Amino acid sequence: NAGVMQNPRHLVRRRGQEARLRCSPMKGHSHVYWYRQLPEEGLKFMVYLQKENIIDESGMPKERFSAEFPKEGPSILRIQQVVRGDSAAYFCASSQLAGGLVDTDTQYFGPGTRLTVL
Amino acid sequence: KQEVTQIPAALSVPEGENLVLNCSFTDSAIYNLQWFRQDPGKGLTSLLLIQSSQREQTSGRLNASLDKSSGRSTLYIAASQPGDSATYLCATTDSWGKLQFGAGTQVVVTP
Repeated sequence: NAGVMQNPRHLVRRRGQEARLRCSPMKGHSHVYWYRQLPEEGLKFMVYLQKENIIDESGMPKERFSAEFPKEGPSILRIQQVVRGDSAAYFCASSQLAGGLVDTDTQYFGPGTRLTVL
Repeated sequence: KQEVTQIPAALSVPEGENLVLNCSFTDSAIYNLQWFRQDPGKGLTSLLLIQSSQREQTSGRLNASLDKSSGRSTLYIAASQPGDSATYLCATTDSWGKLQFGAGTQVVVTP
């Protein structure tokens, strides 16, 4: 059972370009979370998605950032018109269950995508 | 708003000593608490998950305790090894599985 996969592992973009980060959750996992780790800072929650639904995007910047998790295929985090401040490591995590009616399951993290904006 | 604090920020010990890493959180209404390990330039590895109804969890040389009422968790690593050198993160989980991370404790175990 492959773990959470993210690609690319490293991405370099010039200011104003678009960045597309992909995340394939573990088999059987239908809950995906995106986190961002800025240089010298801790990990911060960005968005929580289930298949075809955005459940919580309270950590997403209001502009330029969007995320989706289609019925088929990986989850995509899209950053339009990137700026230098977007340079960070972006991690995706997946879980089998989420809280609400049942206790939350362990979240498994991918290796991350390191975005560098020149 | 949940705030998670980890003390100390950095720790250096000789091989063989026991490690004690502390984590505190301000909102006791958590669903669980997870401890992770992060190696430089790498992703996170889940070490232990303690459900909100549990007091502790053990895996090999690792033991984590949870006291929800006081908002504290402690990770113990027995008989430390150089391979334990990494950054250790604790994170609380809300009802939707959203993780709130502490800033981490950077551990160095010297041979």
